[in-house]
Amino acid sequence: QSVLTQPPSVSGAPGQRVTISCTGSSSNIGAGYDVHWYQQLPGTAPKLLIYANSNRPSGVPDRFSGSKSGTSASLAITGLQAEDEADYYCQSYDSSLSGSYVFGTGTKVTVL
Amino acid sequence: QVQLVQSGAEVKKPGASVKVSCKASGYTFTSYYMHWVRQAPGQGLEWMGIINPSGGSTNYAQKFQGRVTMTRDTSTTTVYMELSSLRSEDTAVYYCAREHESTTVTTGFDYWGQGTLVTVSS
Repeated sequence: QSVLTQPPSVSGAPGQRVTISCTGSSSNIGAGYDVHWYQQLPGTAPKLLIYANSNRPSGVPDRFSGSKSGTSASLAITGLQAEDEADYYCQSYDSSLSGSYVFGTGTKVTVL
Repeated sequence: QVQLVQSGAEVKKPGASVKVSCKASGYTFTSYYMHWVRQAPGQGLEWMGIINPSGGSTNYAQKFQGRVTMTRDTSTTTVYMELSSLRSEDTAVYYCAREHESTTVTTGFDYWGQGTLVTVSS
């Protein structure tokens, strides 16, 4: 039972912009803990896409961007490409669960 | 380059225990916390716990307390995750994942092992 809520799926045509929301609460995102985003291609381990709300590790295209406000965060993908079809997860820390790391419910991005 | 190499797939009977290893290389082992995350078939990611490879201290998710033990061997730069009293719901891919920044936490998981499939079936 995830404490971070994401839409189950989003879709877009190649070249379009899509956004994925991640809704938390006052004990995680709203408490000021950073949000991180991961991309998981089928059959592979997750890959860190965005860390500390809006930072991209080296090698991640600038088509991916992150933001955070209040108790929510968002991941945006601009110039959608076929290779972006994957599952995406947000992640943060929650102080109400004896100090626990929490993941979002996950969002499947489909490129039409 | 940083690598996390996990042990191979396991098949266990209900009630048994499983111990998964994760060998780290390419960085200073004791400087980065390590996490364990699991993913049941077709499901999302679930955090299980964290170990500090420097001193060996651990913190486990409430759900797994009493059933999970995480240890490390600094001589072989390997961390281990042992889960006991296995049930069918523990069937999942288990990942080790390194903390992004050294000597601190909550900075994201930047390197992941390839995953170890644990199947619990009678």
